[in-house]
Amino acid sequence: QLQLQESGPGLVKPSETLSLTCTVSGGSISSSSYHWGWLRQPPGKGLEWIGSFYYTGRTYYNPSLKSRVTISVGTSKNQFSLKLSSVTAADTAVYYCATTFGDPSYFDSWGQGTLVTVSS
Amino acid sequence: DIQMTQSPSSLSASLGDRVTITCRASQSISTYLNWYQQKPGKAPKLLIYAASSLQSGVPSRFSGSGSGTDFTLTISSLQREDFATYYCQQGYSNPFTFGPGTKVDIK
Repeated sequence: QLQLQESGPGLVKPSETLSLTCTVSGGSISSSSYHWGWLRQPPGKGLEWIGSFYYTGRTYYNPSLKSRVTISVGTSKNQFSLKLSSVTAADTAVYYCATTFGDPSYFDSWGQGTLVTVSS
Repeated sequence: DIQMTQSPSSLSASLGDRVTITCRASQSISTYLNWYQQKPGKAPKLLIYAASSLQSGVPSRFSGSGSGTDFTLTISSLQREDFATYYCQQGYSNPFTFGPGTKVDIK
């Protein structure tokens, strides 16, 4: 069974870059069967899709964040990463990595989420 | 962006009740509509995809319907473990967007 786990700093200073890693077990991020994505949820608020990528390297981002976001394969095997630059307090949220098997228009497996707070 | 709205924003119901939640898209999204359940402190869980397809492992008391702009999620007989917040999400176009959520609590 596919499992995902987010990791990274829980506190980031304003104007710096948020960096998170998602480690995948039970499946391969190089599999042609999966799309991989990042989403977030500010405390007490709703869900926002950040972006997704496919094993071929194709990425697609939320236009509202596109200028600040990079999603890529991680440096270690079976990991993918999120980088969000020039963060502000508005970027404080629980960040989730997620995946879909086949259809990229929904997410059928999620990590547990990691809270990132932007504060000096 | 496609805007998603949900109604009601919250509801109180009793065990065994039939519950219906409505989701509306600001433009036609065919059947690219998905439903998630989220409990406090937990990640969302996919319930329904493509408007009416039940995700594997999800109880059959959950069902979805609709196409175009109007969709519904129905819980046929509310169980204790169903008290949660429910979100709809469109997967028709970038950016994927979610509804604001419907919180279901105990009457």
